[in-house]
Amino acid sequence: QVQLQESGPRLVKPSETLSLTCTVSGGSMTNLYWSWIRQPPGKGLEWIGYVFHSGGTNYSPSFKDRVTISVDTSKNQFSLKLFSVSAADTAMYYCARGALYRYDYWGRGNLVTVST
Amino acid sequence: QSILTQPPSVSAAPGQRVTISCSGNSSNIGKNFVSWYQQLPGTAPRLLIYDNIKRPSEISDRFSGAKSGTSATLAIAGLQTGDEADYYCSTWDNSLSIGRGVFGGGTRLTVL
Repeated sequence: QVQLQESGPRLVKPSETLSLTCTVSGGSMTNLYWSWIRQPPGKGLEWIGYVFHSGGTNYSPSFKDRVTISVDTSKNQFSLKLFSVSAADTAMYYCARGALYRYDYWGRGNLVTVST
Repeated sequence: QSILTQPPSVSAAPGQRVTISCSGNSSNIGKNFVSWYQQLPGTAPRLLIYDNIKRPSEISDRFSGAKSGTSATLAIAGLQTGDEADYYCSTWDNSLSIGRGVFGGGTRLTVL
């Protein structure tokens, strides 16, 4: 059974960088897309971007200049970096397997609060 | 404002059938597959429907999907109290030079 687990800090200061890692277990990362999706408190889902197993990426225009998603298949991990965060970036951050038309496995989420 | 439009809420009694709509345009639903997700309170979303109509093997056949033109629909038959959740549609949008993933704003289902 494929499982995903987010890890990273739960509190980030304004203007700093939010960094999260997703560890994949129970399956290979090969030939698959891996995505980050977030959900502000009480609001809906927002797609951030994806990385392909070979390292190719695609980001939402809403984050294009502030985000980097990378993959390390040797560790079965992929990562999110969101730069220059503000309170508006406070959200539950989910990693998920898939992109485009289907996200079939999700992590439990990592709630990140941006505050001093 | 979400690119895909869903009703904020729907409700029905146990045992009844309910449908949730997802409206888009020719740049997203009109040319791409749609998926649906269920988010129970305090949990991560779960894939219910993909490729418009397909169900993962572990999903009950009470859940079904359909797509016509630029709209998609999720139907839930034989409603149970455990179906109370938020439901989201999703697809790919090609309106910009680079495609992007998009979600509907979500629909809260209440089982009366």
